[in-house]
Amino acid sequence: EPEVTQTPSHQVTQMGQEVILRCVPISNHLYFYWYRQILGQKVEFLVSFYNNEISEKSEIFDDQFSVERPDGSNFTLKIRSTKLEDSAMYFCASSDRETQYFGPGTRLLVL
Amino acid sequence: GEDVEQSLFLSVREGDSSVINCTYTDSSSTYLYWYKQEPGAGLQLLTYIFSNMDMKQDQRLTVLLNKKDKHLSLRIADTQTGDSAIYFCAETIRGRRALTFGSGTRLQVQP
Repeated sequence: EPEVTQTPSHQVTQMGQEVILRCVPISNHLYFYWYRQILGQKVEFLVSFYNNEISEKSEIFDDQFSVERPDGSNFTLKIRSTKLEDSAMYFCASSDRETQYFGPGTRLLVL
Repeated sequence: GEDVEQSLFLSVREGDSSVINCTYTDSSSTYLYWYKQEPGAGLQLLTYIFSNMDMKQDQRLTVLLNKKDKHLSLRIADTQTGDSAIYFCAETIRGRRALTFGSGTRLQVQP
């Protein structure tokens, strides 16, 4: 069964450093998403991406964040200058229509 | 804005039925979803219901939607220890693809 994959599973970084989180969506899906879950809090929507551009973003998705589909299979989330409060589990998802399928997540720890 | 609320914890005995409840505020919900999260894992889509439906059954899972009261429930028949997990309800609203999640209900199944 096709699934969304994410790398790395864990990432530790120093405050102020750039991180890139990677995702491989399900191959025939056209919509891609990033969500995050800060420990003990709700899963929060960050951004959606369709047809090589951002289709929707939340207030959390400020200028520190960017997304890219550098080739036909990968979808990345870049955090330019990480802050302590960026520590969270980051989930990638993809969908063809109304159902979003999630990857296993990348746990990001900013020290 | 939209808000989704769930009770935090439910404990049942193996073999009993579990009912997990969710309320939402936005009357323009289009789809409502149930996701399952096991420890250290991603979000697994269990089932979803279109907002003009009242009920959907899928094997041991029954989803009931009361649109007037903005109340969604997930019933798991014959609950097993493997059903122990956190269950999230989520919604999308008209014109948007972003999922808004509840805080999750931790289901504990006692042998």
